[in-house]
Amino acid sequence: QVQLQESGPGLVKPSETLSLTCTVSGVSVNNGFYYWSWIRQPPGKGLEWLGYMQSTGSTNYNASLKSRLSISLDKSKNQFSLRLTSVTAADTAVYYCATLIFGVLIPSYYYYIDVWGKGTTVTVSS
Amino acid sequence: SSELTQDPAVSVALGQTVRMTCQGDSIRNYYASWYQQKPGQAPVLVIYGKYNRPSGIPDRFSGSSSGNTASLIITGAQAEDEGDYYCQSRDNSGHQSVVFGGGTKLTVL
Repeated sequence: QVQLQESGPGLVKPSETLSLTCTVSGVSVNNGFYYWSWIRQPPGKGLEWLGYMQSTGSTNYNASLKSRLSISLDKSKNQFSLRLTSVTAADTAVYYCATLIFGVLIPSYYYYIDVWGKGTTVTVSS
Repeated sequence: SSELTQDPAVSVALGQTVRMTCQGDSIRNYYASWYQQKPGQAPVLVIYGKYNRPSGIPDRFSGSSSGNTASLIITGAQAEDEGDYYCQSRDNSGHQSVVFGGGTKLTVL
């Protein structure tokens, strides 16, 4: 059974870098079936997809955050991480790590998020 | 377009049927998945790939899709079904990105 656990500072100062780690258990991050993903949810608002990284090293980022966001894998620790630079109050949110899966149902395709971490709250404030 | 539009709020009487919709151009090409979220909790997958239910999800949850609209149907809504529901699909722009709808708050009366 795949389980995910986010960790990182709960408070980040404006203009600094937000760094979070997701520890994976039950499967290797080297498993090509999963797209290792980050999603966030600002207080009282909806879900926002941030990006994913595949075991091959290929990444895909939300276009609105692409210049500030990077996702990486640490295969030795079975973790993946998020790094968001130059944060502002608008980056205050619950951040979730998740496993994204790509599926095929002829004649079309789909993505779905199979497993979510519990989420970690990050507040950007001085 | 990469937008998915959901009704902000829907209500249903206990035991009745409710349909929540998700509209967007990407639905024409990629099936939607649906998530239930209760306050203070992470979302939970309830429907994926148009109509598949993960194990543990009651069979009163079902999905359908037609044209640019995906639907999540709850047949015989229960009090525990109250919460926020989000649709999600693949972006239609060719970037292979993920897009979420704005969410629907379901109230069971």
